[in-house]
Amino acid sequence: DVKVTQSSRYLVKRTGEKVFLECVQDMDHENMFWYRQDPGLGLRLIYFSYDVKMKEKGDIPEGYSVSREKKERFSLILESASTNQTSMYLCASSLTGTSKETQYFGPGTRLLVL
Amino acid sequence: GENVEQHPSTLSVQEGDSAVIKCTYSDSASNYFPWYKQELGKGPQLIIDIRSNVGEKKDQRIAVTLNKTAKHFSLHITETQPEDSAVYFCAASTTYYGNNRLAFGKGNQVVVIP
Repeated sequence: DVKVTQSSRYLVKRTGEKVFLECVQDMDHENMFWYRQDPGLGLRLIYFSYDVKMKEKGDIPEGYSVSREKKERFSLILESASTNQTSMYLCASSLTGTSKETQYFGPGTRLLVL
Repeated sequence: GENVEQHPSTLSVQEGDSAVIKCTYSDSASNYFPWYKQELGKGPQLIIDIRSNVGEKKDQRIAVTLNKTAKHFSLHITETQPEDSAVYFCAASTTYYGNNRLAFGKGNQVVVIP
């Protein structure tokens, strides 16, 4: 089974802090994704990566950056956390290629910024 | 880009009855349509998917239908049980510079009343 793990289930940070959210997948997937989930807004794509050291902006990249130094690890960085970044953050991974679009999600990190 | 809309936002059904969730999409080039179930405190899990060359797919009590002409697809859950209570997300696959990404609907809260 594909396993996607996220470093923290719950995180509390203060405004202005630099925050790192880590995601690791164990199935050698090329693609990795970061979403945020808010009530009534569904899943919104922040950033994604199709290969090591590659990144692409999603629909809501402002205030975030990412890092992918190794194939299995994709990090989301909040350079200076703000209260409007309080949310549930979900990481996902998938293979590349036709008929391989299925994304597998981690359990999520619930971030509270005070 | 692709826009996926999901209706209704909340659905309550009596145990044993059927539940239907409908989604529409905007990009006629989309060719892969997964459905995810998210239980409380967990990440979304794939429950069924369908490709554009198929009109219907079943897996035990769940089924998905696709109408490419009308650009809509639906999730059908028969003989609902309390463990079917969850948030369900539909999605459509889009291509971004040759790579796949998913556009998600806003989610549907299904409540099965015992």
